[in-house]
Amino acid sequence: DIVMTQSPDSLAVSLGERATINCKSSQSVLWSSNKKNYLGWYQQKAGQPPKLLIYWASTRESGVPDRFSGSGSGTDFTLTISSLQAEDVAVYYCQQYYDIPLTFGGGTKVEIK
Amino acid sequence: EVQLVESGGGLVQPGGSLRLSCAASGFTFSNYWMTWVRQAPGKGLEWVANIKQDEDEKNYLDSVKGRFTISRDNAKNSLYLQMNSLRAEDTAMYYCARVSADSGNTESQYRPSDYWGQGTLVTVSS
Repeated sequence: DIVMTQSPDSLAVSLGERATINCKSSQSVLWSSNKKNYLGWYQQKAGQPPKLLIYWASTRESGVPDRFSGSGSGTDFTLTISSLQAEDVAVYYCQQYYDIPLTFGGGTKVEIK
Repeated sequence: EVQLVESGGGLVQPGGSLRLSCAASGFTFSNYWMTWVRQAPGKGLEWVANIKQDEDEKNYLDSVKGRFTISRDNAKNSLYLQMNSLRAEDTAMYYCARVSADSGNTESQYRPSDYWGQGTLVTVSS
């Protein structure tokens, strides 16, 4: 199974400041034939189901604010919130969909400092 | 509007069974792979199973193989998860989710989930 490791477990950021979340996979999730990274990011607010933010490592889902961006390739990925807003308080998960079983990182809790 | 509504959760004793259902609307259900994902209380997300449009292919998390069965009824726009021999560690919120398409292509299961239900809680306890 591909193990997804997120860091940090939690972070507190001031409103308007940048938040950076890291995700590392135990093997590459880059498919050589199409040059796509099979990596997504989800946001889960308290009491709600997850919401897809980013797929193919860097493509924003429709309707997702552009302050959210994804980067990285192979085994190392980053989700960046460029200017944290109060409504961004949530737990963020990365997921690989390169291989079955699909696996998630342990989550990163983002709070306001 | 895409909607997924789960039902069937509840309290069950270890060794017992439950059948979860997910009613889909707002999209052509028969065109999409579907999946179940669970979340134990206060814990992270765990993929459980997925199923192809025509039920020709099903995949399971190792820890549920032989105990859980995923199925669907395209005529009823419904997804199911039959859970047998339940264990305490199966206690979780169970989410039904749609596997996204890529540029309209729904052939592959190797996609993220773009729509999720609100979940149904399964508690396994004596």
